[in-house]
Amino acid sequence: ILNVEQSPQSLHVQEGDSTNFTCSFPSSNFYALHWYRWETAKSPEALFVMTLNGDEKKKGRISATLNTKEGYSYLYIKGSQPEDSATYLCDYNQGGKLIFGQGTELSVKP
Amino acid sequence: DAEITQSPRHKITETGRQVTLACHQTWNHNNMFWYRQDLGHGLRLIHYSYGVHDTNKGEVSDGYSVSRSNTEDLPLTLESAASSQTSVYFCASSESAREGQDTQYFGPGTRLTVL
Repeated sequence: ILNVEQSPQSLHVQEGDSTNFTCSFPSSNFYALHWYRWETAKSPEALFVMTLNGDEKKKGRISATLNTKEGYSYLYIKGSQPEDSATYLCDYNQGGKLIFGQGTELSVKP
Repeated sequence: DAEITQSPRHKITETGRQVTLACHQTWNHNNMFWYRQDLGHGLRLIHYSYGVHDTNKGEVSDGYSVSRSNTEDLPLTLESAASSQTSVYFCASSESAREGQDTQYFGPGTRLTVL
């Protein structure tokens, strides 16, 4: 069974704090990994697609890195804002099989 | 603008009834997917399709079926609804980019309750 694990499960930070969380996956036969942002009562929206070892992607205050050899990706948020509150989900594609992690629920307090 | 829609958004049904959830996308994407979201399980893949007349079973396909007669639609049918199928269902689509790299676009979800 393929496992994609995200940690922590939930995170509570103050406005202005920087934070990061992890998506861990089996490192063999890697194709791609996606990060999604999922706000309550909405549907997941894609943030990044990561494909190559060492990939670094950035969108505004949010960035992500990828290490396929050790099987993890980090998502960073710099200077968290209340509107960043959401569940951050990763999806791992190993040989065409798509597996989602359970997400990290981020809550940013003003 | 291209979009992906699901209907109905909310449905209450009784055990044993047949239920069909609709998914329609105007992205002209080849790939379409159905997921269910349950507490403690995240998103789990039910069925998926890589093109017209193509369907494949996902991780939790028992009790569900799909058919793909055109590019835009992938309806999900519960042949005989069970209480264990109470869930939020998400449809998604993606274009056929280089293998594994296609980003999925999700519909708004359908909340199904089976009494």
